[in-house]
Amino acid sequence: EVKLLESGGGLVYPGGSMRLSCAASGFTFTDFYMNWIRQPAGKAPEWLGFIRNKANGYTTEYNPSVKGRFTISRDNSQNMLYLQMNTLRAEDTATYYCARSVYYGSYVFDYWGQGVMVTVSS
Amino acid sequence: DVLMTQTPVSLPVSLGGQVSISCRSSQSLVHSDGNTYLHWYLQKPGQSPQFLSYRVSNRFSGVPDRFSGSGSGTDFTLKISRVEPEDLGVYYCLQSTHFPPYTFGPGTKLELK
Repeated sequence: EVKLLESGGGLVYPGGSMRLSCAASGFTFTDFYMNWIRQPAGKAPEWLGFIRNKANGYTTEYNPSVKGRFTISRDNSQNMLYLQMNTLRAEDTATYYCARSVYYGSYVFDYWGQGVMVTVSS
Repeated sequence: DVLMTQTPVSLPVSLGGQVSISCRSSQSLVHSDGNTYLHWYLQKPGQSPQFLSYRVSNRFSGVPDRFSGSGSGTDFTLKISRVEPEDLGVYYCLQSTHFPPYTFGPGTKLELK
């Protein structure tokens, strides 16, 4: 069974930093692209970025809306995915999900974690 | 970025009934490889989104055949037949043709009349 479990959320001051983690299990982690997606309360999800699989060199792609502030990384020995968020703003307040990608001609998100809340406020 | 719109915003339904949700994109979702990368998700109350279908009309594993997707170019529809209680929630379309970024529609809330 595919399981994704996020952790590390909470309250952070504007301008601060936070690192989210996602523990993956139930599949061969290195075979899959992994994503971070966020969702402000009552709004649609927003894709933040992904990190490719072993076959594609673990390279990253980002939404231009967060490029330069957010960094995605992975520890394949621990089956962990990370999201480093810097210079946080109030508008970054949201539930953050990690999600696995499956390839159907394009990479789409087949399994999502339960999410972790991040609140940016003074 | 490709802008996705969905109608209606809210969709009241009776159990056992049939509904259609519309999703439109600001530009054609036909990729240079000939495929159309339009996908659907359902977010049930208090849960994370779950994958329903990919490339317009292909159901993900375990999704019942009461769900059917159609459309082309910029106009797409998700039809749900014989609505059951577990079908209630917010439906999102997602495009991955023009990337980055992937973009979601704003959502359609399916609720009981």
